[in-house]
Amino acid sequence: GAGVSQSPSNKVTEKGKDVELRCDPISGHTALYWYRQRLGQGLEFLIYFQGNSAPDKSGLPSDRFSAERTGESVSTLTIQRTQQEDSAVYLCASSFPMGTEAFFGQGTRLTVV
Amino acid sequence: QQPVQSPQAVILREGEDAVINCSSSKALYSVHWYRQKHGEAPVFLMILLKGGEQKGHDKISASFNEKKQQSSLYLTASQLSYSGTYFCGTGDDKIIFGKGTRLHILP
Repeated sequence: GAGVSQSPSNKVTEKGKDVELRCDPISGHTALYWYRQRLGQGLEFLIYFQGNSAPDKSGLPSDRFSAERTGESVSTLTIQRTQQEDSAVYLCASSFPMGTEAFFGQGTRLTVV
Repeated sequence: QQPVQSPQAVILREGEDAVINCSSSKALYSVHWYRQKHGEAPVFLMILLKGGEQKGHDKISASFNEKKQQSSLYLTASQLSYSGTYFCGTGDDKIIFGKGTRLHILP
């Protein structure tokens, strides 16, 4: 596709349920990033992938969060046993080699009720 | 290490200039600048690589002083369309963003 695509665009879930967020990066982009943005706040780094390898998982807030990437393609961010504090917009970005211009998707707005 | 941005917020009248600063306690290889409008995704403005270069994009330019581990974004003769939150990002691999600077332009 022409840009980074994220799905779903909105997700409302009940506390305690698991959710899976999807990111389709721009074709050919080797680097992929996940960020969390709470209302009115900045971009909180979660994890990045170089290819399908995630060298740094230190940004994941807890062991309820996990992420995978298939080759240099789709990535999924999974949040298990969701809590109300997980409510935020989850943004995905991709780029050619790390350190070059990153393109962001429109995000998934997650609301935990 | 999260870069520090200043100021946190700026209110300008159309046509005025603004400077947004970004500093890091860690040695910088590159600095990224993005702008995010309300309800939208961040949009790339420019990247500066070490070497003290200055880049420009319309009336928005930036400098990077790797010795001081600082970058500054300059908005000249601001337009209403410049309103939004500006983020600087640093990192050799993962991009860590500062907390952002909210810029509001009044007509």
